[in-house]
Amino acid sequence: DIQMTQSPSSLPASLGDRVTITCRASQDIGNYLRWFQQKPGKSPRLMIYGATNLANGVPSRFSGSRSGSDYSLTINSLESEDMAIYYCLQHNEYPFTFGSGTKLEIK
Amino acid sequence: EVQLVESGGGLVQPGRSLKLSCAASGFTFSDYYMAWVRQAPTKGLEWVASISYDGGSTYYRDSVKGRFTISRDNAKSSLYLQMDSLRSEDTATYYCTTDPLWGQGTLVTVSS
Repeated sequence: DIQMTQSPSSLPASLGDRVTITCRASQDIGNYLRWFQQKPGKSPRLMIYGATNLANGVPSRFSGSRSGSDYSLTINSLESEDMAIYYCLQHNEYPFTFGSGTKLEIK
Repeated sequence: EVQLVESGGGLVQPGRSLKLSCAASGFTFSDYYMAWVRQAPTKGLEWVASISYDGGSTYYRDSVKGRFTISRDNAKSSLYLQMDSLRSEDTATYYCTTDPLWGQGTLVTVSS
């Protein structure tokens, strides 16, 4: 199975900060990588698909990038509504696998 | 309205069965692969199973193979998850999804 190693697990940050979350894939997954945001008691929300494409309705301060087997989600100018848990997902091959999650919280 | 609505969760004893349903509306259901994803209390997301457009191909995580069966009825725009031989570690909120759509989830609790 493909392992998705996500870091950090917790990320304290201040409003207005630029933050980056990373997932490293244990095997080649091409650009079959999605990022999700989940707030307490809510269903996950798709933020990024195809590693770099912004999903509909997602603010432009979110972006996705890839460098080799490392995939990153960057949030520019952090806002209070961005405080949530973020997960990556590889869907290149079954079984699909999620990263372990990054909890973004106010410092 | 475009939405997915799960139902069928509840409290069940270990070793028993439960069938989850997901009703789709507002889009052409038969055009999409569908999946079930679960989340144990206070834990992360875990992919469970996927099914192709016509139901001809199904895929499962190892821990549910042979116990869970994913199926669909395109005429009813519905997705199902038959869960047999349930274990305590199957306790989770189960989401029906086809990105970017997610249902609200249905909680399954396996306990005696």
